[in-house]
Amino acid sequence: KAGVTQTPRYLIKTRGQQVTLSCSPISGHRSVSWYQQTPGQGLQFLFEYFSETQRNKGNFPGRFSGRQFSNSRSEMNVSTLELGDSALYLCASSLGQGFGEQYFGPGTRLTVT
Amino acid sequence: GEDVEQSLFLSVREGDSSVINCTYTDSSSTYLYWYKQEPGAGLQLLTYIFSNMDMKQDQRLTVLLNKKDKHLSLRIADTQTGDSAIYFCAESFDSNYQLIWGAGTKLIIKP
Repeated sequence: KAGVTQTPRYLIKTRGQQVTLSCSPISGHRSVSWYQQTPGQGLQFLFEYFSETQRNKGNFPGRFSGRQFSNSRSEMNVSTLELGDSALYLCASSLGQGFGEQYFGPGTRLTVT
Repeated sequence: GEDVEQSLFLSVREGDSSVINCTYTDSSSTYLYWYKQEPGAGLQLLTYIFSNMDMKQDQRLTVLLNKKDKHLSLRIADTQTGDSAIYFCAESFDSNYQLIWGAGTKLIIKP
């Protein structure tokens, strides 16, 4: 069974631009979560989707948004990029019933200049 | 509130056992997890334990959960150089579908 895939793996953007990151979960998994990892703040929860519905959202500004499609693939979008948005963005998938095991993709390394 | 704490570093000799500790504050967690992150890589789920269990063993890994003290530990037997990584503990809650993470413990293996 293929693992969680994320595209692109690396991205360089300039301040003020917007970016869209994509995540394809493990086949059969209906829950997708997004996390931001930075050296200073560690791992922080962005949001979680299950069956195209956002079930929970972390404490991030409205510039961070996401969505999930009917095939469970998910995208997250960051608008008006700031230097502080430079991070590793990780996506995780799970069956979604009772949460349980979450499997992570390799991440997208976003650098904002 | 939700808070998960770990020591930042642990140094052990190759062949010894490593014990990585984690404390958490919210006793309503459903699952507690251990993840491993190698340099430049994503997070690998090592093991997880349901909150009503005390212990779980999986080959070289042993997880102990003390609910009274809100303490979780991961023991790695016969530590090898390939075990060098950052180990994160995390907890989840059925009520809000997110993981709360510790800061990670960097495991350093001495020859």
